Amino acid sequence: AQSVTQLGSHVSVSEGALVLLRCNYSSSVPPYLFWYVQYPNQGLQLLLKYTTGATLVKGINGFEAEFKKSETSFHLTKPSAHMSDAAEYFCAVSGPTNFGNEKLTFGTGTRLTIIP
Amino acid sequence: GAVVSQHPSWVICKSGTSVKIECRSLDFQATTMFWYRQFPKQSLMLMATSNEGSKATYEQGVEKDKFLINHASLTLSTLTVTSAHPEDSSFYICSARWVGVQYFGPGTRLTVL
Repeated sequence: AQSVTQLGSHVSVSEGALVLLRCNYSSSVPPYLFWYVQYPNQGLQLLLKYTTGATLVKGINGFEAEFKKSETSFHLTKPSAHMSDAAEYFCAVSGPTNFGNEKLTFGTGTRLTIIP
Repeated sequence: GAVVSQHPSWVICKSGTSVKIECRSLDFQATTMFWYRQFPKQSLMLMATSNEGSKATYEQGVEKDKFLINHASLTLSTLTVTSAHPEDSSFYICSARWVGVQYFGPGTRLTVL
């Protein structure tokens, strides 16, 4: 069984400030971890993913996340927030997806607001 | 690459009618697609896993006779909401799996009057 906890349903940061969105997971198998972004009335866009290998992963739009097994965390960061970063962010976990139909389990989402 | 489309993007229908939503992978083949439902300001709820050439696998609590899924080809899955009722109004999102990652469509907003 897998689960995802996103701390903070709403996060506000000033433009140019550090963005930190928290994600903790629970998984009985080696996890694959994902961050997706959703803009209003749109589908989800993949920001970045961790499967195996390097624990610090870089994604699109300047975002990155670090997989910390000991802390069961996969927090999303961006050094300098931009107004266009305002959106809903979802963390998700699945098992290894090489051969099965492993499902994604999503967190409840974090709405990021950027203050001008 | 890895683009998924959905059609229509929004639909309004009368109670009791059926609505079909299409999900297409435009530049890759997907043996597995997923259908989600999202309520306002909430996370995504997986409804079913659609497998090309076989029956869909529904999540617990999802009525398979109400939400008919057909995955007729490696690039197309359809979700038909039968005898729709106002409580079926929601945002429906599909995804297609490619190289271990789910790529999502833009969603379909269904409003049942």
